[in-house]
Amino acid sequence: GIQVEQSPPDLILQEGANSTLRCNFSDSVNNLQWFHQNPWGQLINLFYIPSGTKQNGRLSATTVATVRYSLLYISSSQTTDSGVYFCAVEGVYNNNDMRFGAGTRLTVKP
Amino acid sequence: NAGVTQTPKFRILKIGQSMTLQCTQDMNHNYMYWYRQDPGMGLKLIYYSVGAGITDKGEVPNGYNVSRSTTEDFPLRLELAAPSQTSVYFCASSPEDRATNEKLFFGSGTQLSVL
Repeated sequence: GIQVEQSPPDLILQEGANSTLRCNFSDSVNNLQWFHQNPWGQLINLFYIPSGTKQNGRLSATTVATVRYSLLYISSSQTTDSGVYFCAVEGVYNNNDMRFGAGTRLTVKP
Repeated sequence: NAGVTQTPKFRILKIGQSMTLQCTQDMNHNYMYWYRQDPGMGLKLIYYSVGAGITDKGEVPNGYNVSRSTTEDFPLRLELAAPSQTSVYFCASSPEDRATNEKLFFGSGTQLSVL
């Protein structure tokens, strides 16, 4: 099946800093989503972005499908941004099978 | 709006016991999924369903069974619990239209320990 690699595995930031999280995938995709898992374990949709660029407040994401990667940008980070960020993809040959990366654990310090 | 509801939130089982994790959604989504998340890891797909009466295996189906008798409900059954099934289980649903902005909606999870 499709492989998903996220980097870095861990990231520690001072409040107010910016960061870029990366997701590489091994095959063409129908679907790519970014999720935030908060410290209480809740999974929250951030972006549905199989291609192109989207922005939502301090967060934005870009997927370059032809080169098989996606980036999640967090600007002016806040302590509430802490948690684990997951990239999940659905390969064109594996419909309905969303494969998750291992995640990037972000800690934002006050 | 309830979304995806999972019960129970926590459960401890003894080896060899059986149990059913319940999942229901009120968004009239055709697609439903069960994932497990081991500590420090991403989610892995156990089973999924594209509609009532239709189920299919995901990446890690061994030791589990599912059924989908209605659009709303998608229970996950563990027949003979093993310590390797200690994990957090998430149910999710999605609309059929792949162009929607938010494909997967997750429940709050069930933390299961098998001792």
